[in-house]
Amino acid sequence: SQQGEEDPQALSIQEGENATMNCSYKTSINNLQWYRQNSGRGLVHLILIRSNEREKHSGRLRVTLDTSKKSSSLLITASRAADTASYFCATGNTDKLIFGTGTRLQVFP
Amino acid sequence: KAGVTQTPRYLIKTRGQQVTLSCSPISGHRSVSWYQQTPGQGLQFLFEYFSETQRNKGNFPGRFSGRQFSNSRSEMNVSTLELGDSALYLCASSLTGPHNEQFFGPGTRLTVL
Repeated sequence: SQQGEEDPQALSIQEGENATMNCSYKTSINNLQWYRQNSGRGLVHLILIRSNEREKHSGRLRVTLDTSKKSSSLLITASRAADTASYFCATGNTDKLIFGTGTRLQVFP
Repeated sequence: KAGVTQTPRYLIKTRGQQVTLSCSPISGHRSVSWYQQTPGQGLQFLFEYFSETQRNKGNFPGRFSGRQFSNSRSEMNVSTLELGDSALYLCASSLTGPHNEQFFGPGTRLTVL
């Protein structure tokens, strides 16, 4: 079963716009990670935020974590066509990583 | 550093057969995790190995098994294949375990006819 639910399931935007994806989870976590998957290939790690952190940046990515609401968001600023992919949140505890349902992002040139 | 490799990349089997998939982690990584990805169930955790020991197992039937060798390479086996086993099987390696950054291989696409 999946720990995380992501919202929206699909998102279409124009290049240059910002994209925001949300993730909710159910149990306590050590950290939350975001991954990108291009068209049925392997996943690529984007960013990891620990449970005692509230916000983290990496290039055009900004991740927030609200442990009281058991939710996280991923913001991609100034999106590019190459950002077209599926994005997954994954909650980590000591022994496993549980993935959410994913958001499919389409960026039109 | 070479990435995670998985072989074979594509596989077609028939119901009732068995299959073995292989994963070579990044050099120095001792943790290898396996995931099944299907359109209906998404990404599901199968199991994780660390230094040849299975540390954790997901909610899959006993037909799914795995092992890890002393060089950290891992194999997973599925016996008595069912149509529902058709999926992308992904392996991921990390230094200490799945709670830290994982590096994924390209996956093995298994089709069961």
